[in-house]
Amino acid sequence: NAGVTQTPKFQVLKTGQSMTLQCAQDMNHEYMSWYRQDPGMGLRLIHYSVGAGITDQGEVPNGYNVSRSTTEDFPLRLLSAAPSQTSVYFCASSYTLAGGVDTQYFGPGTRLTVL
Amino acid sequence: AQSVTQLDSHVSVSEGTPVLLRCNYSSSYSPSLFWYVQHPNKGLQLLLKYTSAATLVKGINGFEAEFKKSETSFHLTKPSAHMSDAAEYFCVVSEWPGTYKYIFGTGTRLKVLA
Repeated sequence: NAGVTQTPKFQVLKTGQSMTLQCAQDMNHEYMSWYRQDPGMGLRLIHYSVGAGITDQGEVPNGYNVSRSTTEDFPLRLLSAAPSQTSVYFCASSYTLAGGVDTQYFGPGTRLTVL
Repeated sequence: AQSVTQLDSHVSVSEGTPVLLRCNYSSSYSPSLFWYVQHPNKGLQLLLKYTSAATLVKGINGFEAEFKKSETSFHLTKPSAHMSDAAEYFCVVSEWPGTYKYIFGTGTRLKVLA
């Protein structure tokens, strides 16, 4: 089991560029999510999905898009990168239980810098 | 609405002394509560979780936490700190049922002095 994998590990973008952060899991989890981690702010939820074809917004969705065409993959797209999106991004997955989220398993993170 | 407050942004202890990391939560319904640990430049690892079973929860590496509904607290403790415990710790709340969201605290950085 690879668990949750993320690519790339590091990325530098210029303002206005677009890119996709990749996330995959091999645990057959229904739930997947994206967070950003900024110093002193903990992790904040960007988008989440409770199954293929179903996505919803978290606390800080602006500037990001997601889609979920398969159970395994949950890519995060930055449409037009801005310096405020410089952060470390984590993907996570879990089973859902009775309308809630069980233990989430986190990927190793992607460190993104926008110049 | 749910929220979580970690009362200390930094905690320093000497090796071999007890650890106490404090967390208060707010939740309209029955919460699930978690503690995660993040070592430098690493991902997050689950230490322990509370999901309405026993109020005293034991986790990995000798950590435990007690759910106190009357105080809306879920403090993390360990009897004796080890150098390898130096990391950032996050308290997390998720309302159960009805939401699919984790709400993270802002984190407590634990420093262990030799």
